[in-house]
Amino acid sequence: SQQGEEDPQALSIQEGENATMNCSYKTSINNLQWYRQNSGRGLVHLILIRSNEREKHSGRLRVTLDTSKKSSSLLITASRAADTASYFCATERTSYGKLTFGQGTILTVHP
Amino acid sequence: GAVVSQHPSRVICKSGTSVKIECRSLDFQATTMFWYRQFPKQSLMLMATSNEGSKATYEQGVEKDKFLINHASLTLSTLTVTSAHPEDSSFYICSAREPRTGGYNEQFFGPGTRLTVL
Repeated sequence: SQQGEEDPQALSIQEGENATMNCSYKTSINNLQWYRQNSGRGLVHLILIRSNEREKHSGRLRVTLDTSKKSSSLLITASRAADTASYFCATERTSYGKLTFGQGTILTVHP
Repeated sequence: GAVVSQHPSRVICKSGTSVKIECRSLDFQATTMFWYRQFPKQSLMLMATSNEGSKATYEQGVEKDKFLINHASLTLSTLTVTSAHPEDSSFYICSAREPRTGGYNEQFFGPGTRLTVL
């Protein structure tokens, strides 16, 4: 079952602006991951944050995790037109690899 | 990172035929592979977990006789959509888990297979 809810469903910004996407989930988790999907393509793993971590950075990406609120956010700074894609959060409840995906946010970055 | 391939990337078939989709881990051995289904503009829904040498574990609501999964080797899992119907048209994506000791077992996703049933 889909336990992740993401907002906004769609986000349209100008190049250079920051993009923030949020994800909420319902049950306890082992970790939360963010993926990117270009139209009609497979998924690319962006970043993983464990349940005992609160913030993580990778290049222009910043992810936060608040387990008390069961929510996470993905911030993309200084966005580029090439960042245009769908972004999904996915939670893993155990260490067995089974992921539950959120509904996704469609990000459009205008040049 | 590790590479997972899928074949075919796109298939169109007539209603009633069976279609086999292959998922291969190219440079690592995957004891576990996962099969997902994605409808247009929607999220990924996990269909089943494929374990090498044993029966697949299907998610609730997924017909195991409709979606046959075989994980015969550590680098290959296949999904066969039997007696396909137009409602089976979808984007099917596999992922493979690279086992690592002492850390998170990262998953790598294939590029997906677009199935269209006429």
